[in-house]
Amino acid sequence: DSGVTQTPKHLITATGQRVTLRCSPRSGDLSVYWYQQSLDQGLQFLIQYYNGEERAKGNILERFSAQQFPDLHSELNLSSLELGDSALYFCASSVEDRGTEAFFGQGTRLTVV
Amino acid sequence: QQPVQSPQAVILREGEDAVINCSSSKALYSVHWYRQKHGEAPVFLMILLKGGEQKGHEKISASFNEKKQQSSLYLTASQLSYSGTYFCGTAPSGSARQLTFGSGTQLTVLP
Repeated sequence: DSGVTQTPKHLITATGQRVTLRCSPRSGDLSVYWYQQSLDQGLQFLIQYYNGEERAKGNILERFSAQQFPDLHSELNLSSLELGDSALYFCASSVEDRGTEAFFGQGTRLTVV
Repeated sequence: QQPVQSPQAVILREGEDAVINCSSSKALYSVHWYRQKHGEAPVFLMILLKGGEQKGHEKISASFNEKKQQSSLYLTASQLSYSGTYFCGTAPSGSARQLTFGSGTQLTVLP
């Protein structure tokens, strides 16, 4: 157990819908990363927050947004969902915004039908 | 920019050694190595921060050549439990913060 909690574990939704994925970082970690992993693919970096502020942005679609709250949990919002958005979404957390190990949650498997 | 990993896949017999390489076109602040088993979360192996740094973790070690922006992961006397996909993640020098991962190396250890 990495100490990073993601909910829900599985999500099935229809095209056009909106979903919210939640991540609670390890105790003491200030940085949260979000990654998308499609079937048997690599980890695509989406976005990073540190202590409530956006620190880095990757190839995140405009339909997707994220935020980190004062209690340091983070949410990833995915809207106008398409079939191609089906993937495993991972959250990772680390103490600093770089240079320290990042620990991954178990992921949320999103299936868009 | 995504680091480049090689090889894409490798098959070993138990007890054999393997090397996985990771290279970047950008100056790097750190290199991270993870192992992911199918359907599971990536598990942290080690992080290298300094040029020329080498680290060991049981029979798994890694090096980081800062001048070449390259890192290598060494697996010695491989065990069945080493099977999985190995990812290197890189964080660039400068103001950028993202931790970007390579496409992975699939390692299979056979009895």
